Amino acid sequence: DAGVIQSPRHEVTEMGQEVTLRCKPISGHDYLFWYRQTMMRGLELLIYFNNNVPIDDSGMPEDRFSAKMPNASFSTLKIQPSEPRDSAVYFCASSFRGWNEQFFGPGTRLTVL
Amino acid sequence: AQTVTQSQPEMSVQEAETVTLSCTYDTSESDYYLFWYKQPPSRQMILVIRQEAYKQQNATENRFSVNFQKAAKSFSLKISDSQLGDAAMYFCAYRPALGTSGSRLTFGEGTQLTVNP
Repeated sequence: DAGVIQSPRHEVTEMGQEVTLRCKPISGHDYLFWYRQTMMRGLELLIYFNNNVPIDDSGMPEDRFSAKMPNASFSTLKIQPSEPRDSAVYFCASSFRGWNEQFFGPGTRLTVL
Repeated sequence: AQTVTQSQPEMSVQEAETVTLSCTYDTSESDYYLFWYKQPPSRQMILVIRQEAYKQQNATENRFSVNFQKAAKSFSLKISDSQLGDAAMYFCAYRPALGTSGSRLTFGEGTQLTVNP
């Protein structure tokens, strides 16, 4: 079992550029979560999917953020245009059924200059 | 809205000693789950222990145990026989049992644990 896979592990970009973060959940898991971790706000849920359908996107900070899950094995979180305040570690997590343990990926450290 | 509070930003313990990390939460729900996650320097979030609110018995996982006080809305983590590998940031988290928000995890601010040799 490879666990949740995220890419890239590190991303450095300039303000105004588009950033795409990728996630592959654990095979067979039907829930996928995107979290953001910052010093100021801690760990916060951005959005989650059930069977590829977005269920709760109330944590998405603004329209610059969008997330998709085109199939059960792949999800993207896109920021366009990126801003320095988007600098954070972004985690993807998955679970089998919403009430079971969420398994986290290693995170993507995003730095926007 | 549910909130989770960890009032100890930093804690330290001597190797082989016992340490307790505190967590309080606020909710109007009667059924929910509580978790402790560990985040070592590698950034990986690792589940340490979970507690179902309907269970009166405190959860235990090897050297890790919790003291769950439902009426007080308190959920502390005790680490016995501390090891150097226990050094990490520890997060307390809450999740409702039911409803559309039943999958949403709410995290506390974290407690940075240092283990001294």
